[in-house]
Amino acid sequence: DSGVTQTPKHLITATGQRVTLRCSPRSGDLSVYWYQQSLDQGLQFLIQYYNGEERAKGNILERFSAQQFPDLHSELNLSSLELGDSALYFCASSVEATSGETQYFGPGTRLLVL
Amino acid sequence: AQKITQTQPGMFVQEKEAVTLDCTYDTSDPSYGLFWYKQPSSGEMIFLIYQGSYDQQNATEGRYSLNFQKARKSANLVISASQLGDSAMYFCAMREAKAAGNKLTFGGGTRVLVKP
Repeated sequence: DSGVTQTPKHLITATGQRVTLRCSPRSGDLSVYWYQQSLDQGLQFLIQYYNGEERAKGNILERFSAQQFPDLHSELNLSSLELGDSALYFCASSVEATSGETQYFGPGTRLLVL
Repeated sequence: AQKITQTQPGMFVQEKEAVTLDCTYDTSDPSYGLFWYKQPSSGEMIFLIYQGSYDQQNATEGRYSLNFQKARKSANLVISASQLGDSAMYFCAMREAKAAGNKLTFGGGTRVLVKP
């Protein structure tokens, strides 16, 4: 158990819908990362927050957005869902946002868009 | 160009034997970190081992060791005395100090199946 929690574990929804994925980082970690793992794209970095502020953006679609709240939990919002958004979404956390910091991953949310 | 390349899509290993998983990387940043993660069939990503670009010694963590050859830009993972529970996908990842934020770039992974 990494100490990072993600809810829900599984999510099934329809195209065009909107969903929210939730992540609670390990106690004491200030930095949260979101990754997407799909069969065709592999594991890709989406976005990073550090202490409530956006720190870096990766291959995140405009239909996707995220935020980190004052209690440091984070939410990833996915809207106008398409079949291709079906994937395993991971949240990871680390103490800070510096080189050398290990990122610990949550169990993931498996999203299926029908 | 791929930043992280794992050339072995899958491999079998006999229980109690050692196995080496290949990882090559591409970066012009002199400061970077290399990570290995394990993903069992249940889906979670488990951190195994870390090697910094300036580390003088190869990293070791229990049965895991990293064969770091900087000039060749390779960071192979060695699992000694394989166990059935080692059957999983293994991912090599890199973080470059100059990259914005602290993102990890992953390779395509290697699936390992340990035979009894």
